[in-house]
Amino acid sequence: DTEVTQTPKHLVMGMTNKKSLKCEQHMGHRAMYWYKQKAKKPPELMFVYSYEKLSINESVPSRFSPECPNSSLLNLHLHALQPEDSALYLCASSQVQGSYGYTFGSGTRLTVV
Amino acid sequence: GESVGLHLPTLSVQEGDNSIINCAYSNSASDYFIWYKQESGKGPQFIIDIRSNMDKRQGQRVTVLLNKTVKHLSLQIAATQPGDSAVYFCAETANDKLIFGTGTRLQVFP
Repeated sequence: DTEVTQTPKHLVMGMTNKKSLKCEQHMGHRAMYWYKQKAKKPPELMFVYSYEKLSINESVPSRFSPECPNSSLLNLHLHALQPEDSALYLCASSQVQGSYGYTFGSGTRLTVV
Repeated sequence: GESVGLHLPTLSVQEGDNSIINCAYSNSASDYFIWYKQESGKGPQFIIDIRSNMDKRQGQRVTVLLNKTVKHLSLQIAATQPGDSAVYFCAETANDKLIFGTGTRLQVFP
């Protein structure tokens, strides 16, 4: 298995809702990442997990809460989002943090209404 | 600050021609570079990578050139095909982070 799988593919949520994005990989990678991508912009790093521990938080607002339950799973919990948080959320993994061979998922298209 | 940028936001080429997409980076400590292709509604797809101890690497129809002196990276696509139409991003690894450049849209016309 050489894929990063993200669910759901599309999500519409209200500003008072709580939802979660999920990411899964079975390549034995020990680093996992969340990126946010706005339309016509490059992906921007949000969080990095290394060996299931949060390694980097790029000053992301607390309404985004990452979680790494085990080495194969990465979640992003969403609460009280704003319309400007609407974006494509991408998950990626690599063998170890900063190593070669990053693999990206297809992303979750999030719309906040 | 650290940044990776591109000279041309849109590149239009005729099918069968060669394409060259350029990228400038500013962090001299970056030691690994990747080119990604992103089609509409999809995640970035790995094309080719290069380490800082190399100046050229070739794949199938693609070549990446790295000029560390001027901090410049380029992607060459030979015999461009309609399926090559997408946005192309360069990315660099620095301080254990993968940072993306601004992207170039490649349009291939018949």
